[in-house]
Amino acid sequence: NAGVMQNPRHLVRRRGQEARLRCSPMKGHSHVYWYRQLPEEGLKFMVYLQKENIIDESGMPKERFSAEFPKEGPSILRIQQVVRGDSAAYFCASSPLGMAGYNEQFFGPGTRLTVL
Amino acid sequence: DAKTTQPNSMESNEEEPVHLPCNHSTISGTDYIHWYRQLPSQGPEYVIHGLTSNVNNRMASLAIAEDRKSSTLILHRATLRDAAVYYCIPLGNAGNMLTFGGGTRLMVKP
Repeated sequence: NAGVMQNPRHLVRRRGQEARLRCSPMKGHSHVYWYRQLPEEGLKFMVYLQKENIIDESGMPKERFSAEFPKEGPSILRIQQVVRGDSAAYFCASSPLGMAGYNEQFFGPGTRLTVL
Repeated sequence: DAKTTQPNSMESNEEEPVHLPCNHSTISGTDYIHWYRQLPSQGPEYVIHGLTSNVNNRMASLAIAEDRKSSTLILHRATLRDAAVYYCIPLGNAGNMLTFGGGTRLMVKP
């Protein structure tokens, strides 16, 4: 069973461009979470999605950031008009059930975004 | 969310046991205690979780204090591959996200 896949693994963008990060959850998992890790900082929750629904986006910046998890295909984290402060590692995780206290999350290898 | 306190760093010798402590004095009665670790340049990895009883799996053991205000992750024989940042995370049944604190950076010496 393949793990959580993220692509690209590394992404370089110039200021003002758009960044699209993709996440394919583990087979059978319908719950996806995105986290961001700024340089030398801990991971911070961004958004929790189920198929076709955003369940909790309390950690998402109010502007320029959006996420989706369509019925078919990977989850996408989209950052419009990137700025240097968006440079970070973005991790996706999936779980088979909703995030009850006894569930574990399976993380992908991350996408490292560098904004020039 | 319950606050956690972990040492910033710890050192261990290879093949010796390691006890990583975590204080979570504000934990609620229904919060599970999760441990994750993050190896350098990788995504976090689930290690173990428990509610009240001590737990064992192939990676580690989790000892939970009777009052649940603290817990200890035990690596029985540290290897170089265990060098990572270890995070203790209380999580309730209504929780959607993992809240990562500073964690403990474990260094393993050969």
